[in-house]
Amino acid sequence: EVQLVESGGGLVQPGESLRLSCAASGFTFRNHRMHWVRQAPGKGLVWVSCIEGDASTTKYADSVKGRFTISRDNARDTVYLQMNSLRADDTAVYFCTRDGGGLAYWGQGTLVTVSS
Amino acid sequence: QSALTQPRSVSGSPGQSISISCTGTDRDVGGYNFVSWYQQHPGKAPKLMIYDVTERPSGVPDRFSGSKSGNTASLTVSGLQDEDDGDYYCCSYGGTYFSFGGGTKLTVL
Repeated sequence: EVQLVESGGGLVQPGESLRLSCAASGFTFRNHRMHWVRQAPGKGLVWVSCIEGDASTTKYADSVKGRFTISRDNARDTVYLQMNSLRADDTAVYFCTRDGGGLAYWGQGTLVTVSS
Repeated sequence: QSALTQPRSVSGSPGQSISISCTGTDRDVGGYNFVSWYQQHPGKAPKLMIYDVTERPSGVPDRFSGSKSGNTASLTVSGLQDEDDGDYYCCSYGGTYFSFGGGTKLTVL
């Protein structure tokens, strides 16, 4: 059974950093592009970033480019999102999701709140 | 990188059919056959309903279908059922980015 479990969310002040993790199981992790998608309270889904299975290529939404870094450890079946210079509008539930014929598998999400 | 454009809401009675449009540009929806659709219920993770414009994952009822013409993709739900009530999002690949639509609230009357 495919499982994606996010962790690392929490309350931080503007300008601070946070690293999210997503532990994967139930599939061959290195064969799949992975994404982070976020959803602000009461708002829609917003794509954040993705990374290829071999980590050769990463992509970012303009709103996070230069502040967020996606990475993965295929030995640990885990994908990360390093978030620096956090702003109030980064407040959202962050979902980890697996690519491979659409985004068929999603984690439960982890809440990041940026507030002073 | 702009969000794809979806209607804010659509509604229909049980048994009826509805369609939800998703308009992008020739750099995303019109440029690739990588449009997907997601259903989301409150407090839950999104569920994949359609991928690669027209493909339906196993387990998704064949009442759900997808299509595309130019820069606009569409999700059609035939024979509406109460459980189809929820939020629907389209998503497209755009070469150097992915983009979601703003979401459409489907109300089954």
